[in-house]
Amino acid sequence: DSGVTQTPKHLITATGQRVTLRCSPRSGDLSVYWYQQSLDQGLQFLIQYYNGEERAKGNILERFSAQQFPDLHSELNLSSLELGDSALYFCASSPDFGGSTDTQYFGPGTRLTVL
Amino acid sequence: AQSVTQLDSQVPVFEEAPVELRCNYSSSVSVYLFWYVQYPNQGLQLLLKYLSGSTLVESINGFEAEFNKSQTSFHLRKPSVHISDTAEYFCAVNGRGSQGNLIFGKGTKLSVKP
Repeated sequence: DSGVTQTPKHLITATGQRVTLRCSPRSGDLSVYWYQQSLDQGLQFLIQYYNGEERAKGNILERFSAQQFPDLHSELNLSSLELGDSALYFCASSPDFGGSTDTQYFGPGTRLTVL
Repeated sequence: AQSVTQLDSQVPVFEEAPVELRCNYSSSVSVYLFWYVQYPNQGLQLLLKYLSGSTLVESINGFEAEFNKSQTSFHLRKPSVHISDTAEYFCAVNGRGSQGNLIFGKGTKLSVKP
């Protein structure tokens, strides 16, 4: 158990809908990262927050957005969902600002299925 | 920018046999290298990482990886695998001085058979 929690574990929805994925980092960790894992693209970095502020952005679609709240939990919002958005979404956390040497601790993931 | 290539998508091996999972990277700057493991239905866990110093790094469960700068490789090895090592293994890289987001390879599924 990494100490990172993600809810829900599974989510099934229809095209065009909007969903919110939630992540609670390990106690004391200030950085949160979101990754998407799909069969064709593999594991891709989406976005990182540090202490409430966006710190780095990867291949995140404009239909997706995220935020980190004062209690440090984070939410990833996916809107206008398409079939291709079906994937496993991981949240990870690290203690500090997310330097390139930091170990990231991953949650169990949320499996999103878009029908 | 960095990229990672894991040459084998699947590696089947018998229990107690040695295994090598290959990883090559590309980067215009110095790098930090990581191996993560994903057991079935779980998130990723750090197995080991190379930051600096000795080019041979070891994990607590018998895996080791060697950073080879000239060959831009970071292959993962274990001299004798167990059934419990069955998992997917991801090599990842981060450029020195860059942000903390990891660049992952496509993963190698290790299947250990009795």
